[in-house]
Amino acid sequence: QKEVEQNSGPLSVPEGAIASLNCTYSDRGSQSFFWYRQYSGKSPELIMFIYSNGDKEDGRFTAQLNKASQYVSLLIRDSQPSDSATYLCAAHAGNNRKLIWGLGTSLAVNP
Amino acid sequence: NAGVTQTPKFQVLKTGQSMTLQCAQDMNHNSMYWYRQDPGMGLRLIYYSASEGTTDKGEVPNGYNVSRLNKREFSLRLESAAPSQTSVYFCASSTGANYGYTFGSGTRLTVV
Repeated sequence: QKEVEQNSGPLSVPEGAIASLNCTYSDRGSQSFFWYRQYSGKSPELIMFIYSNGDKEDGRFTAQLNKASQYVSLLIRDSQPSDSATYLCAAHAGNNRKLIWGLGTSLAVNP
Repeated sequence: NAGVTQTPKFQVLKTGQSMTLQCAQDMNHNSMYWYRQDPGMGLRLIYYSASEGTTDKGEVPNGYNVSRLNKREFSLRLESAAPSQTSVYFCASSTGANYGYTFGSGTRLTVV
């Protein structure tokens, strides 16, 4: 059973801090990884994707991938209350056209 | 550019009634997906269509049918609704899963 695991949280950080969200995956064949943000009552929205080992930065967001450890993370710098949401991690394995989803981590940024 | 459009946004059904959830995308994506999302269960794939003319079962297909009407449209049908099908349903599309999905705004379905 291919799995993506996330700590459900809630993760609570003060405004302006760095929020660190983590995700592990079981399928070593996974090639690409995605972070989605989902506000309460809304649909998931893609915020970052990463294919290669290392870091990928986009504004206040940094995705980190370590394929040897089968570990993906999302860092949110200068966290804002508007970042409060559930963050979903997903992995895509090769020819399989489907994503494998984690259950999500709830993030609360406190003013 | 509307992206992925789902209708209706809300629906209440009585047990045993049928309905069709509509989904259309205007991004020329090949692949389309239907998910349900329930508290504590995450996103669960019901059916997907890798390309026009093909459909395949996902994790939880029982009680549902789908039609890939053309490249743009992918509908989900509940033939005889059950309370266990109360959920939020999302349609998504992608040019290939390697590029991530774009989601519609969802349909909140309640079966009483």
